[in-house]
Amino acid sequence: DAKTTQPNSMESNEEEPVHLPCNHSTISGTDYIHWYRQLPSQGPEYVIHGLTSNVNNRMASLAIAEDRKSSTLILHRATLRDAAVYYCILKTPSGNTPLVFGKGTRLSVIA
Amino acid sequence: DTGVSQDPRHKITKRGQNVTFRCDPISEHNRLYWYRQTLGQGPEFLTYFQNEAQLEKSRLLSDRFSAERPKGSFSTLEIQRTEQGDSAMYLCASSLEPNLYEQYFGPGTRLTVT
Repeated sequence: DAKTTQPNSMESNEEEPVHLPCNHSTISGTDYIHWYRQLPSQGPEYVIHGLTSNVNNRMASLAIAEDRKSSTLILHRATLRDAAVYYCILKTPSGNTPLVFGKGTRLSVIA
Repeated sequence: DTGVSQDPRHKITKRGQNVTFRCDPISEHNRLYWYRQTLGQGPEFLTYFQNEAQLEKSRLLSDRFSAERPKGSFSTLEIQRTEQGDSAMYLCASSLEPNLYEQYFGPGTRLTVT
């Protein structure tokens, strides 16, 4: 399974942007970059995914480096409800491969 | 759409007992996955189904673990002869082929083996 490296924890002030980095130097050409987050006492929830181009949705933006060896999840205005563990996951589009979670980054948001 | 539901939410059992957990996926989702999560770790994949067919079970942790999805709707995960090391959160997720990009997770069943 392709591996990702994320900081163990990060802290942000409320209403400020947050940039969550992920390194994936061994990414293959068919790997998509997925981000999930897990709020306290809940199951993970999908945030965003991308292949090569930057992606935006209502929750976040995903910036992918040109060489695809790193990516950054951007929360434009952190709120207290964004405090969670954020997981960066590489996955081929085949449904036969499961999500492989690492330890993720624990984001704390300070009011 | 009521989301993925799991029952029970919490289970306390004594070592050596058998336990069974149920997962109800989002209706019409044909893929169903089971994961286990221990404290401080990300979820760990266990097994998954395409409709009623179990397509991957080599990652079930031991032969004490088994899963079924008899009619392609809800699924059960059974652990026989529980051990203290089985204490964890058991998560279920579902997805709809051909959109394989998003998995929708339930709230999990927290198992405590005493």
